[in-house]
Amino acid sequence: QSALTQPASVSGSPGQSITISCTGTSSDVGSFNRVSWYQKHPGKAPNLMIYEGTKRPSGVSNRFSGSKSGNTASLTISGLQAEDEADYYCCSYAGSATWIFGGGTKLTVL
Amino acid sequence: EVQLVESGGGVVRPGGSLRLTCAASGFTFDDYGMSWVRQVPGKGLEWVSGINWNGGSASYADSVKGRFTISRDNAKNSLYLQMNSLRAEDTALYYCASFPIVGPVWKYYFDYWGQGALVTVSS
Repeated sequence: QSALTQPASVSGSPGQSITISCTGTSSDVGSFNRVSWYQKHPGKAPNLMIYEGTKRPSGVSNRFSGSKSGNTASLTISGLQAEDEADYYCCSYAGSATWIFGGGTKLTVL
Repeated sequence: EVQLVESGGGVVRPGGSLRLTCAASGFTFDDYGMSWVRQVPGKGLEWVSGINWNGGSASYADSVKGRFTISRDNAKNSLYLQMNSLRAEDTALYYCASFPIVGPVWKYYFDYWGQGALVTVSS
């Protein structure tokens, strides 16, 4: 099973908004409302930012939001801050107790 | 404080075996399913294997099926990954991660992560 498709990189200036897309198929992203997003800083463990497509865990800034349309999920970060610079990964449940990750997107805050 | 601590990584020759352990603390271990996720240096995350709360059900990525075995010991709050017939492409940082199970319902996201154990397969 191929990885979910994410742009390799996105960038934005402080205060701006960016959106990262995550495209799968009708067998994963399109079938389940079970997309999650993870922030990963170099040398650190991944950190859950969005789950079940649109929900934020306690402690995650409301500048982070998620959405889904068809086979594509999206993560939007508003009011970009320097500390948002990191790699972001989407992940979808793919049925039969398996998961699939996206290839990752490197966010650069200019 | 929730902690997941991986151990058992190291350097192994192609065809060799290694067993990773993930020690959990700070949460009710058997309220959670567990998974292993790996990251090849410089590459993205790849889900490897998952197990339900009592070890009665396990799943694997096609890339490791038949070579890796996931297991858990709830009495020891520990998760394991037995890796056999290792290949160069298995070289990665291996993370253990938890996913909540609420009654009979799985929650399909990974809320706690360890810091990872590095496995290097090289001759």
